[in-house]
Amino acid sequence: KAGVTQTPRYLIKTRGQQVTLSCSPISGHRSVSWYQQTPGQGLQFLFEYFSETQRNKGNFPGRFSGRQFSNSRSEMNVSTLELGDSALYLCASSLWTRETQYFGPGTRLLVL
Amino acid sequence: AQSVTQLDSHVSVSEGTPVLLRCNYSSSYSPSLFWYVQHPNKGLQLLLKYTSAATLVKGINGFEAEFKKSETSFHLTKPSAHMSDAAEYFCVVTGTGNQFYFGTGTSLTVIP
Repeated sequence: KAGVTQTPRYLIKTRGQQVTLSCSPISGHRSVSWYQQTPGQGLQFLFEYFSETQRNKGNFPGRFSGRQFSNSRSEMNVSTLELGDSALYLCASSLWTRETQYFGPGTRLLVL
Repeated sequence: AQSVTQLDSHVSVSEGTPVLLRCNYSSSYSPSLFWYVQHPNKGLQLLLKYTSAATLVKGINGFEAEFKKSETSFHLTKPSAHMSDAAEYFCVVTGTGNQFYFGTGTSLTVIP
């Protein structure tokens, strides 16, 4: 089976812009979670989608949003980018909730 | 509430000597516990998972971890370190729903 894929792998944006990241889960997996990884804050949970519904949300501002499509693919969007949004964004998929999560390679976002 | 404490931010070992990465957890119910490894500029790879079936869990690449409920610990060990083990290691505890709570990570250096 193909693993979790994330596109694009690298992005450079400027402050104030918005960005959309994409995640394709492992075939058959219905849960997709998103994480932000920075040197200062470590790995932080953004949100989880299961069957097109947001199940959990971390402590991030409303500028961070996401959605899941009927084929389980997921996108996350960050509006009005700030310098502090520079990070590695990781997507993970699992069959069901509380199951093992399998991570993609991440999208590295740099905000200038 | 769930939380994870990785007791060492950096660990250095010589090649061929044992590895011990320490993790303590806090959970209000019976959690699932994981160890993931992240090599530079890569996503997270699952090493092993504890789900109450057995207290000693064997993972990939010779790693294993022992769940000790009385000590709320889930330490990761390997009998003999290899150069390729140099990476960042994360201990994870599950929360409600599918949310993963990550430790701050332990950077493992293997000295030739």
